[in-house]
Amino acid sequence: DTGVSQDPRHKITKRGQNVTFRCDPISEHNRLYWYRQTLGQGPEFLTYFQNEAQLEKSRLLSDRFSAERPKGSFSTLEIQRTEQGDSAMYLCASSFETYEQYFGPGTRLTVT
Amino acid sequence: SQQGEEDPQALSIQEGENATMNCSYKTSINNLQWYRQNSGRGLVHLILIRSNEREKHSGRLRVTLDTSKKSSSLLITASRAADTASYFCATDAYGNNRLAFGKGNQVVVIP
Repeated sequence: DTGVSQDPRHKITKRGQNVTFRCDPISEHNRLYWYRQTLGQGPEFLTYFQNEAQLEKSRLLSDRFSAERPKGSFSTLEIQRTEQGDSAMYLCASSFETYEQYFGPGTRLTVT
Repeated sequence: SQQGEEDPQALSIQEGENATMNCSYKTSINNLQWYRQNSGRGLVHLILIRSNEREKHSGRLRVTLDTSKKSSSLLITASRAADTASYFCATDAYGNNRLAFGKGNQVVVIP
């Protein structure tokens, strides 16, 4: 068990550019979650998958955001036409069914 | 929007003392969970309490839940410097593990 990994750990981009983050869950976990966390706040739910099916998307997830989990393994979160308000820590977590979630170290996005 | 609201927001205590933090929420829940976050280990699950439970213990942690008041408390006994972290409560309204986190309590334990 190597834990949840995320790549990259840091990303600096210019406003208007597209960015993509990757999350590799714990291998036997069938559920994968994406959260966003800004300074001084708790994580905010964005979306989650059970296997390859995306079961729910938060209203926070605008049309510029898309997430995929092909083959029910790793997941990607893409943000198109980034805005300064997208600057945050993007956290990925995984779980087996509805048991406890294990979080990755996060990807810190800075939009300049 | 944040479901939970922890209180107090920041707490500074001496090593060996107990630390108590509270969380209130607005809607009915299936369960409530507490997480710890520090720079070294990221966000880590501490304990889960179900809506039909009133109190739960895990090591030095004690969690209570009052569904009539829509509130929970986390007690850390005999605190250690390593307990320095931010603590978040998170509610699961439907038992599907879709969590709504509060804003967090920052706890500093002074050696």
